[in-house]
Amino acid sequence: DTAVSQTPKYLVTQMGNDKSIKCEQNLGHDTMYWYKQDSKKFLKIMFSYNNKELIINETVPNRFSPKSPDKAHLNLHINSLELGDSAVYFCASSPSTGIEAFFGQGTRLTVV
Amino acid sequence: AQSVTQLDSQVPVFEEAPVELRCNYSSSVSVYLFWYVQYPNQGLQLLLKYLSGSTLVKGINGFEAEFNKSQTSFHLRKPSVHISDTAEYFCAVRPNYGGSQGNLIFGKGTKLSVKP
Repeated sequence: DTAVSQTPKYLVTQMGNDKSIKCEQNLGHDTMYWYKQDSKKFLKIMFSYNNKELIINETVPNRFSPKSPDKAHLNLHINSLELGDSAVYFCASSPSTGIEAFFGQGTRLTVV
Repeated sequence: AQSVTQLDSQVPVFEEAPVELRCNYSSSVSVYLFWYVQYPNQGLQLLLKYLSGSTLVKGINGFEAEFNKSQTSFHLRKPSVHISDTAEYFCAVRPNYGGSQGNLIFGKGTKLSVKP
C-alpha cells in the first residue's frame, strides 16, 4: 500500500542511452513533482504537474521530458544520458488544496 | 524568491544528548515550514510542519520545532537522541500566495550522526 512508488530503485546505464523512471501515487493527489538530489544531497525541483498539465519546468535540459498519462502517474524520460545526470531522483505528490508533499523512495541513477 | 539556510552541514552528538538543528529562511511572502528526514538510502519522510497557530509544533519520533517569525527561523530539537536518529534532516519552506502555494524549497540538509 505504498503511497508514492518509483521504479526502478537503482538504475545504472551508459552515457548516451535513453532511460525512463516511473512514478505512481495512490493518494488521489492532483499534483505531482520530480526532484533531483545531487551528490551533495541538495534537493531541487525539476517539474511540477497538476492534473496532467505541466506547471513548472525549472530550467531543466530538454533531454528530460516528463510524461503524465493520468493524474496518478508521472514518468520521467531522459534522452542521451550524461555523466552529470547521475543523481537520486525523487517523485512526490500533494493534493491541490494541501500543503505537504509525499515523497517516493527515490531512484538512484548512475551514468557510467 | 525564497531561500532556506541550514547553518550546520553536520552535527555529531552522543546518544541521549539533546540536539538542535538550525534552519533560517528568507521570503517576501508568508511561508509554510517543514522538516523532512532522510534515513540512509531511503526517501524523504515528513517529521513535522508549521502551517499556522501555535509556534511550537511537535512531530514524529519525539522531535519538535519552534517557528520564530521575527528571526525567520524554524529550528528542530529533540531532548534525547537515539542511534536510530542518525539521518539527513532537511528544512523546507513552501510560499503561501494566498489562494495557492508555491513549490517546496529545501535547505542543503544537516547530517545528524548519533554516536554511542
